[in-house]
Amino acid sequence: DSGVTQTPKHLITATGQRVTLRCSPRSGDLSVYWYQQSLDQGLQFLIQYYNGEERAKGNILERFSAQQFPDLHSELNLSSLELGDSALYFCASSVPHGAGLDEQFFGPGTRLTVL
Amino acid sequence: GEDVEQSLFLSVREGDSSVINCTYTDSSSTYLYWYKQEPGAGLQLLTYIFSNMDMKQDQRLTVLLNKKDKHLSLRIADTQTGDSAIYFCAEISTGANNLFFGTGTRLTVIP
Repeated sequence: DSGVTQTPKHLITATGQRVTLRCSPRSGDLSVYWYQQSLDQGLQFLIQYYNGEERAKGNILERFSAQQFPDLHSELNLSSLELGDSALYFCASSVPHGAGLDEQFFGPGTRLTVL
Repeated sequence: GEDVEQSLFLSVREGDSSVINCTYTDSSSTYLYWYKQEPGAGLQLLTYIFSNMDMKQDQRLTVLLNKKDKHLSLRIADTQTGDSAIYFCAEISTGANNLFFGTGTRLTVIP
Protein backbone atom coordinates (compact mmCIF):
# COMPACT_ATOMS: atom_id res chain seq x y z
CA ASP A 1 0.00 0.00 0.00
CA SER A 2 1.61 3.23 -1.20
CA GLY A 3 -0.54 5.51 0.94
CA VAL A 4 -2.04 7.20 -2.13
CA THR A 5 -5.75 6.60 -2.56
CA GLN A 6 -7.83 7.01 -5.68
CA THR A 7 -11.57 6.85 -6.19
CA PRO A 8 -13.44 5.39 -7.87
CA LYS A 9 -11.62 2.20 -8.77
CA HIS A 10 -13.70 1.67 -11.89
CA LEU A 11 -15.82 4.06 -13.92
CA ILE A 12 -17.97 3.24 -16.92
CA THR A 13 -19.59 6.06 -18.81
CA ALA A 14 -20.75 7.09 -22.26
CA THR A 15 -19.19 9.29 -24.92
CA GLY A 16 -19.80 12.96 -24.41
CA GLN A 17 -20.08 12.68 -20.66
CA ARG A 18 -17.95 14.27 -17.93
CA VAL A 19 -16.31 12.50 -15.01
CA THR A 20 -14.22 13.46 -12.00
CA LEU A 21 -11.43 11.30 -10.63
CA ARG A 22 -10.22 11.88 -7.13
CA CYS A 23 -6.82 11.40 -5.52
CA SER A 24 -5.63 11.74 -1.93
CA PRO A 25 -1.84 11.96 -1.63
CA ARG A 26 0.30 10.40 1.08
CA SER A 27 0.27 12.33 4.30
CA GLY A 28 2.81 15.14 4.05
CA ASP A 29 3.29 14.97 0.28
CA LEU A 30 2.76 18.32 -1.40
CA SER A 31 3.06 17.24 -5.03
CA VAL A 32 0.40 15.38 -6.94
CA TYR A 33 0.88 14.00 -10.45
CA TRP A 34 -1.65 12.57 -12.87
CA TYR A 35 -0.75 9.95 -15.47
CA GLN A 36 -2.71 8.17 -18.17
CA GLN A 37 -1.89 4.59 -19.11
CA SER A 38 -3.38 3.24 -22.31
CA LEU A 39 -2.46 0.37 -24.59
CA ASP A 40 -1.50 2.54 -27.53
CA GLN A 41 0.12 5.51 -25.74
CA GLY A 42 1.78 3.76 -22.82
CA LEU A 43 2.23 5.67 -19.58
CA GLN A 44 2.02 9.42 -20.11
CA PHE A 45 2.38 12.30 -17.71
CA LEU A 46 -0.61 14.63 -17.73
CA ILE A 47 -0.14 17.31 -15.10
CA GLN A 48 1.50 18.10 -11.76
CA TYR A 49 0.34 20.23 -8.86
CA TYR A 50 2.48 21.39 -5.98
CA ASN A 51 0.83 22.77 -2.87
CA GLY A 52 -2.25 23.87 -4.74
CA GLU A 53 -0.57 25.35 -7.80
CA GLU A 54 -0.01 23.89 -11.23
CA ARG A 55 3.70 23.13 -11.62
CA ALA A 56 4.06 21.21 -14.87
CA LYS A 57 1.94 20.18 -17.80
CA GLY A 58 2.43 17.18 -20.03
CA ASN A 59 0.27 15.66 -22.72
CA ILE A 60 -3.00 16.80 -21.23
CA LEU A 61 -5.89 17.48 -23.58
CA GLU A 62 -7.83 20.73 -23.36
CA ARG A 63 -10.93 18.69 -22.48
CA PHE A 64 -9.14 17.62 -19.30
CA SER A 65 -8.43 19.77 -16.28
CA ALA A 66 -7.22 19.25 -12.76
CA GLN A 67 -6.96 21.06 -9.48
CA GLN A 68 -5.44 20.58 -6.06
CA PHE A 69 -7.40 21.70 -3.04
CA PRO A 70 -6.17 23.26 0.24
CA ASP A 71 -6.26 19.85 1.92
CA LEU A 72 -3.94 18.69 -0.92
CA HIS A 73 -6.31 16.19 -2.47
CA SER A 74 -6.62 16.50 -6.22
CA GLU A 75 -9.29 15.99 -8.82
CA LEU A 76 -8.91 15.26 -12.52
CA ASN A 77 -11.89 16.33 -14.60
CA LEU A 78 -12.42 14.71 -17.99
CA SER A 79 -15.13 16.17 -20.22
CA SER A 80 -16.64 15.48 -23.64
CA LEU A 81 -15.37 11.96 -23.28
CA GLU A 82 -14.36 9.97 -26.33
CA LEU A 83 -13.80 6.25 -26.78
CA GLY A 84 -10.05 6.88 -26.89
CA ASP A 85 -10.11 8.29 -23.37
CA SER A 86 -10.63 4.80 -22.01
CA ALA A 87 -7.52 4.13 -19.93
CA LEU A 88 -6.09 3.69 -16.48
CA TYR A 89 -5.57 7.02 -14.74
CA PHE A 90 -2.95 7.06 -12.04
CA CYS A 91 -2.26 9.62 -9.40
CA ALA A 92 1.13 9.83 -7.70
CA SER A 93 2.42 11.95 -4.87
CA SER A 94 5.86 12.89 -3.68
CA VAL A 95 7.97 15.06 -1.47
CA PRO A 96 10.80 16.25 -3.67
CA HIS A 97 14.18 15.66 -2.08
CA GLY A 98 15.83 18.33 -4.13
CA ALA A 99 18.50 18.07 -6.84
CA GLY A 100 16.09 16.18 -9.07
CA LEU A 101 15.41 13.18 -6.83
CA ASP A 102 11.67 12.74 -6.79
CA GLU A 103 10.33 9.51 -5.39
CA GLN A 104 6.81 9.26 -6.64
CA PHE A 105 4.36 6.91 -4.97
CA PHE A 106 1.50 5.73 -7.13
CA GLY A 107 -2.10 5.08 -6.28
CA PRO A 108 -3.91 1.96 -7.51
CA GLY A 109 -5.47 3.83 -10.42
CA THR A 110 -8.95 4.47 -11.76
CA ARG A 111 -9.97 2.41 -14.77
CA LEU A 112 -12.15 4.51 -17.04
CA THR A 113 -14.19 2.81 -19.73
CA VAL A 114 -16.00 5.01 -22.24
CA LEU A 115 -18.72 3.21 -24.20
CA GLY B 1 11.74 15.42 -26.55
CA GLU B 2 12.80 12.62 -24.24
CA ASP B 3 12.55 9.09 -25.56
CA VAL B 4 12.85 6.05 -23.32
CA GLU B 5 12.85 2.61 -24.96
CA GLN B 6 12.54 -0.90 -23.59
CA SER B 7 12.01 -4.31 -25.10
CA LEU B 8 8.43 -5.40 -24.63
CA PHE B 9 8.78 -8.97 -23.36
CA LEU B 10 11.20 -11.13 -21.38
CA SER B 11 10.75 -14.71 -20.21
CA VAL B 12 13.03 -16.43 -17.72
CA ARG B 13 12.98 -19.63 -15.71
CA GLU B 14 12.47 -19.46 -11.97
CA GLY B 15 15.83 -19.22 -10.21
CA ASP B 16 17.62 -17.67 -13.19
CA SER B 17 18.69 -14.04 -13.40
CA SER B 18 16.61 -11.53 -15.37
CA VAL B 19 18.11 -8.54 -17.11
CA ILE B 20 15.78 -5.80 -18.27
CA ASN B 21 17.29 -3.14 -20.50
CA CYS B 22 16.39 0.47 -21.16
CA THR B 23 17.82 3.15 -23.41
CA TYR B 24 17.14 6.84 -23.19
CA THR B 25 18.01 9.89 -25.22
CA ASP B 26 18.06 12.74 -22.72
CA SER B 27 21.67 13.52 -21.87
CA SER B 28 20.63 15.75 -18.99
CA SER B 29 18.95 12.95 -17.06
CA THR B 30 19.70 13.33 -13.39
CA TYR B 31 17.93 10.35 -11.87
CA LEU B 32 16.79 7.12 -13.44
CA TYR B 33 14.19 4.89 -11.87
CA TRP B 34 12.80 1.40 -12.08
CA TYR B 35 9.14 0.82 -11.32
CA LYS B 36 7.22 -2.45 -11.10
CA GLN B 37 3.56 -2.83 -12.04
CA GLU B 38 1.80 -6.01 -11.01
CA PRO B 39 -1.47 -7.00 -12.72
CA GLY B 40 -4.31 -4.68 -11.75
CA ALA B 41 -2.09 -2.57 -9.53
CA GLY B 42 -0.36 0.76 -9.58
CA LEU B 43 3.34 1.37 -10.05
CA GLN B 44 5.73 0.57 -7.25
CA LEU B 45 9.11 2.25 -7.06
CA LEU B 46 11.80 -0.45 -6.92
CA THR B 47 15.00 1.53 -7.01
CA TYR B 48 16.68 4.54 -8.53
CA ILE B 49 20.17 5.62 -9.47
CA PHE B 50 21.77 9.02 -9.70
CA SER B 51 23.34 9.78 -13.05
CA ASN B 52 26.88 10.06 -11.65
CA MET B 53 26.77 6.46 -10.42
CA ASP B 54 27.62 3.36 -12.45
CA MET B 55 26.00 0.75 -10.29
CA LYS B 56 23.64 0.36 -7.41
CA GLN B 57 22.82 -2.87 -5.61
CA ASP B 58 19.79 -3.45 -3.43
CA GLN B 59 19.32 -7.05 -2.28
CA ARG B 60 18.38 -9.05 -5.40
CA LEU B 61 18.33 -5.96 -7.60
CA THR B 62 21.36 -4.54 -9.39
CA VAL B 63 21.09 -1.40 -11.50
CA LEU B 64 23.80 -0.66 -14.05
CA LEU B 65 24.10 2.69 -15.76
CA ASN B 66 26.22 3.39 -18.82
CA LYS B 67 25.85 7.12 -19.18
CA LYS B 68 28.00 7.30 -22.30
CA ASP B 69 25.70 4.89 -24.15
CA LYS B 70 22.59 6.13 -22.31
CA HIS B 71 21.82 2.56 -21.30
CA LEU B 72 20.25 1.43 -18.04
CA SER B 73 19.66 -2.13 -16.93
CA LEU B 74 17.97 -3.88 -14.05
CA ARG B 75 19.21 -7.30 -13.03
CA ILE B 76 17.03 -9.43 -10.79
CA ALA B 77 18.92 -12.31 -9.21
CA ASP B 78 17.21 -15.62 -8.42
CA THR B 79 14.03 -14.56 -10.19
CA GLN B 80 10.83 -15.78 -8.55
CA THR B 81 7.30 -16.20 -9.88
CA GLY B 82 6.30 -13.20 -7.78
CA ASP B 83 8.61 -11.09 -9.92
CA SER B 84 6.30 -11.54 -12.91
CA ALA B 85 5.12 -8.02 -13.71
CA ILE B 86 5.70 -5.11 -16.06
CA TYR B 87 8.88 -3.18 -15.34
CA PHE B 88 9.17 0.46 -16.35
CA CYS B 89 12.29 2.53 -16.47
CA ALA B 90 11.84 6.25 -16.09
CA GLU B 91 14.03 9.30 -16.11
CA ILE B 92 13.86 12.84 -14.87
CA SER B 93 16.12 15.51 -16.26
CA THR B 94 17.56 18.73 -14.94
CA GLY B 95 14.86 21.32 -14.50
CA ALA B 96 12.03 18.94 -15.30
CA ASN B 97 9.23 18.19 -12.90
CA ASN B 98 7.92 14.98 -14.31
CA LEU B 99 9.04 11.46 -15.08
CA PHE B 100 9.33 10.14 -18.61
CA PHE B 101 8.52 6.46 -18.71
CA GLY B 102 9.67 3.75 -21.03
CA THR B 103 7.27 1.45 -22.80
CA GLY B 104 7.54 -1.20 -20.09
CA THR B 105 8.92 -4.75 -20.24
CA ARG B 106 6.60 -7.60 -19.36
CA LEU B 107 8.61 -10.15 -17.39
CA THR B 108 7.20 -13.67 -17.28
CA VAL B 109 8.78 -16.12 -14.87
CA ILE B 110 8.31 -19.75 -15.85
CA PRO B 111 8.14 -22.16 -12.89
